[in-house]
Amino acid sequence: ILNVEQSPQSLHVQEGDSTNFTCSFPSSNFYALHWYRWETAKSPEALFVMTLNGDEKKKGRISATLNTKEGYSYLYIKGSQPEDSATYLCAFNSGTYKYIFGTGTRLKVLA
Amino acid sequence: GAGVSQSPRYKVAKRGQDVALRCDPISGHVSLFWYQQALGQGPEFLTYFQNEAQLDKSGLPSDRFFAERPEGSVSTLKIQRTQQEDSAVYLCASSSIYPGGEGGSAFFGQGTRLTVV
Repeated sequence: ILNVEQSPQSLHVQEGDSTNFTCSFPSSNFYALHWYRWETAKSPEALFVMTLNGDEKKKGRISATLNTKEGYSYLYIKGSQPEDSATYLCAFNSGTYKYIFGTGTRLKVLA
Repeated sequence: GAGVSQSPRYKVAKRGQDVALRCDPISGHVSLFWYQQALGQGPEFLTYFQNEAQLDKSGLPSDRFFAERPEGSVSTLKIQRTQQEDSAVYLCASSSIYPGGEGGSAFFGQGTRLTVV
């Protein structure tokens, strides 16, 4: 059974703080790791697709790193803003069409 | 539309009632998926279509669940004789290619929140 875990489950940060959270996934049969941001009442929005060990991707104030050998990815948000409040989901893909999702990290940025 | 559209957004069903959830994928997208997200859990795979062919229905929880995509575009997820444990958010996603690697992220709809009372 493939298990994808995210931590923390939820966190509150003050506006301007930087934060990060973790996605752990199986280190075998790795093909891709996807990060999604899911704001309330909206569709999950794709942030990053990561495929190479050591990869680092950036989109504005958000960046992500990937370690496929040890099976983890970090998502960083620099200078959090209230509009960053959302659930951040990671999804592991082993080369099939299925995504194995984590349970998400719920971020609340306090103004 | 520009994105994946799902309807209804919310559905309250009495236990035992049949429901039908609709998904309009992005035009031209070959692949279509249904996922179920129970409270406090991550989305879990239900079924996969490539055009009109249902290639994988291994995630459907029981024979009360049925999905179709007869013309390779719009898809319907039907749940017969709903039970309380069917209460969840049902997400539909589509992608233009076999999803997974670079450029292969699936696009999701907003979901349908089903509550069975």
